[in-house]
Amino acid sequence: NAGVTQTPKFRILKIGQSMTLQCAQDMNHNYMYWYRQDPGMGLKLIYYSVGAGITDKGEVPNGYNVSRSTTEDFPLRLELAAPSQTSVYFCASSIDSQPQHFGDGTRLSIL
Amino acid sequence: QKEVEQNSGPLSVPEGAIASLNCTYSDRGSQSFFWYRQYSGKSPELIMSIYSNGDKEDGRFTAQLNKASQYVSLLIRDSQPSDSATYLCATLQGAQKLVFGQGTRLTINP
Repeated sequence: NAGVTQTPKFRILKIGQSMTLQCAQDMNHNYMYWYRQDPGMGLKLIYYSVGAGITDKGEVPNGYNVSRSTTEDFPLRLELAAPSQTSVYFCASSIDSQPQHFGDGTRLSIL
Repeated sequence: QKEVEQNSGPLSVPEGAIASLNCTYSDRGSQSFFWYRQYSGKSPELIMSIYSNGDKEDGRFTAQLNKASQYVSLLIRDSQPSDSATYLCATLQGAQKLVFGQGTRLTINP
């Protein structure tokens, strides 16, 4: 059972480039989430989705976009990468508001 | 005021002692509370959830909730070096949003 799978694990981007962070879960969870974690800090919610076709903003959505076309996948897109987006990104999923299961994270550096 | 506050530490505890981690929250409507453990460079891992006032025990871990004081704590008995990690307190805001504290870094000294 793979759980929550995030790709890539590491990425270096140049300022202004774009990329998509992939997240997939095989647990048939309806809720999915994207967080970022800056060094020495807790996790901040970027976007979340309560089901296919439904997304909503979290605490820090600026500079990011998401889509949820299937139950399994919840990609996060950075359109114009900025140094402030250097962080570790975690995807999570849950059944309704039950405890969330996290992926292994994507370490992103913007130079 | 931050929504969920934790002392960032580091908290140093000798091996075999009790480690006590504390968390306060600002939303009186919060009903669900979670403790996650995060090893350096790894993802958060759920270790305890608590929904009602009082204590909840699971092995060496005890979570305590006091809604009147808006206070959640985690006790780790017989602390082991493998317990050294950052512990994140989180509360569910509404039905979907998990709000995290900044985490407390715990070090167990052999």
